[in-house]
Amino acid sequence: AQSVAQPEDQVKVAEGNPLTVKCTYSVSGNPYLFWYVQYPNRGLQFLLKYITGDNLVKGSYGFEAEFNKSQTSFHLKKPSALVSDSALYFCAVRDGKIASNTGKLIFGQGTTLQVKP
Amino acid sequence: EAQVTQNPRYLITVTGKKLTVTCSQNMNHEYMSWYRQDPGLGLRQIYYSMNVEVTDKGDVPEGYKVSRKEKRNFPLILESPSPNQTSLYFCASSSKQGAVLAQHFGDGTRLSIL
Repeated sequence: AQSVAQPEDQVKVAEGNPLTVKCTYSVSGNPYLFWYVQYPNRGLQFLLKYITGDNLVKGSYGFEAEFNKSQTSFHLKKPSALVSDSALYFCAVRDGKIASNTGKLIFGQGTTLQVKP
Repeated sequence: EAQVTQNPRYLITVTGKKLTVTCSQNMNHEYMSWYRQDPGLGLRQIYYSMNVEVTDKGDVPEGYKVSRKEKRNFPLILESPSPNQTSLYFCASSSKQGAVLAQHFGDGTRLSIL
């Protein structure tokens, strides 16, 4: 069965420090991996995705994520955090084995990122 | 501007009173989906639609209905709402290549069923 785990409910970092939000996944086929961010009272916004190719993926707002097949992980990173990065972050996976037209995403439970000034 | 629009954004209602949450997208997307978001559970898919007149159940379809009579609209219907359907609901859409493309989300509808 497909699943996604975000082991930390909350991550706190100081502004200017690097941040990491962790994500591990389980799928039977090749994974299609996504990160979304949710600001208060807003829907999810796409940050970045991994489909194939380079293991290091760059996305919006200076975020990047590293795909690690052996560890089945897709951690979100940013070299220097901003207070405005404070939000709820979701990792999601789609199983590449399943017909592409199902469109179904499996989401992790979310990690709240708090960046302190 | 490309967007997914949900209405209403907030609704407080009572058990058993039928309600509909509308969702409309202006991107000519084939694929649309409804999710509910609950603390500690992330987002779970309720129903999805691959195209007009094509709908299917997601992971938590009980108590919900949907229809897809037009490409742009995908309403979520709660025929007899119950308190356990109190949640934050999101509609999403993507093109036919949705497996590799990001989904676009609406801003959410917060439902409270008393």
